[in-house]
Amino acid sequence: DAGVIQSPRHEVTEMGQEVTLRCKPISGHNSLFWYRQTMMRGLELLIYFNNNVPIDDSGMPEDRFSAKMPNASFSTLKIQPSEPRDSAVYFCASQRNSYNSPLHFGNGTRLTVT
Amino acid sequence: AQSVTQPDIHITVSEGASLELRCNYSYGATPYLFWYVQSPGQGLQLLLKYFSGDTLVQGIKGFEAEFKRSQSSFNLRKPSVHWSDAAEYFCAVDTNAGKSTFGDGTTLTVKP
Repeated sequence: DAGVIQSPRHEVTEMGQEVTLRCKPISGHNSLFWYRQTMMRGLELLIYFNNNVPIDDSGMPEDRFSAKMPNASFSTLKIQPSEPRDSAVYFCASQRNSYNSPLHFGNGTRLTVT
Repeated sequence: AQSVTQPDIHITVSEGASLELRCNYSYGATPYLFWYVQSPGQGLQLLLKYFSGDTLVQGIKGFEAEFKRSQSSFNLRKPSVHWSDAAEYFCAVDTNAGKSTFGDGTTLTVKP
């Protein structure tokens, strides 16, 4: 079991640029979550998918953020255009198809927008 | 709506001393409760979970937690802390919708 794989581990970009974060969930897991972690706000749920379908995107900050899950083994979180306040660590987590199953987190992508 | 409170932002203990991290939750139904640990530069890792049955649950790395419905608490304990336990700890409650709500975390520092 390779765990949840996120890429890149670090991303530094200039304000206004497009940023794409990638996630490969654990095989057989049906739910996928995108979280953002900052010192000020802690861990925030941005969006989650179940069986590749977005279920709740109420945590997505604004229209600059979008997420897709084209298949069961891949998801992306895109920010366009990026702003300095988007700087954070973004985590992807997957979960077996049961609400009492724990989340399995990737190691995160540290995004810095200058 | 559910919520999780971790009253202690930062705790410092000496190596070998006992540890208790507090967690209080608010949720109308039977909660599904979790403790996660986050080491620097890594994602969260599950320590233990409670769904039903025995209110004292055992986890990895020698941790345990006790569910107390009357106090709406799920405190994490360890009898003897090791330097490698220094990390940030998160309590979480899961709803029937499958979304976890996390507390703000408690940072543990271990003194030699």
